[in-house]
Amino acid sequence: AQTVTQSQPEMSVQEAETVTLSCTYDTSENNYYLFWYKQPPSRQMILVIRQEAYKQQNATENRFSVNFQKAAKSFSLKISDSQLGDTAMYFCAFIGDSNYQLIWGAGTKLIIKP
Amino acid sequence: SAVISQKPSRDICQRGTSLTIQCQVDSQVTMMFWYRQQPGQSLTLIATANQGSEATYESGFVIDKFPISRPNLTFSTLTVSNMSPEDSSIYLCSVTFWAGGNAFFGQGTRLTVV
Repeated sequence: AQTVTQSQPEMSVQEAETVTLSCTYDTSENNYYLFWYKQPPSRQMILVIRQEAYKQQNATENRFSVNFQKAAKSFSLKISDSQLGDTAMYFCAFIGDSNYQLIWGAGTKLIIKP
Repeated sequence: SAVISQKPSRDICQRGTSLTIQCQVDSQVTMMFWYRQQPGQSLTLIATANQGSEATYESGFVIDKFPISRPNLTFSTLTVSNMSPEDSSIYLCSVTFWAGGNAFFGQGTRLTVV
């Protein structure tokens, strides 16, 4: 069975600092995709970044980047120059390339302090 | 991408009553998912709703309590029946357009049962 583990229930950093959120996963599949989603207090789930497992290059989206370590089954999210609007729950998720249903981590509550 | 309109955004209901939550997608999609989310926690899948077939429920969720309709490829409803305070939660609908694809979400419904 596939599992996704986020070991940091809550983190807080000062505005403009860099923060890294951890995620590990377990799967026996060869082809899959990994995601980070953001859920601010508005409840709307927003896709932050997507990584294809067959790509060695780490995905980046502006201030957001991942460190994808396939052998270690690790998928961390780095947020650079953090902003107050980054305050949210962050969820790591996994999906096999033949599946439609995502497997979700427990989430990390990120607080950016002014 | 997709735009998903979920209604109502919030409601306060009396115990013993039922509430129907609607999700309208701006394009046709086969796979639609209904989640429950306690505040500050991860998503728990209630059921998968495919057009033209009965919904598939996860362990711990039954059709009598959470009946789902999927009359066409752009619309679905989830009913929370005979509500109790334990049903107070956030309910989210989600779609995935292709295998291995990212999920798109409605805005969520915050339900409070008194």
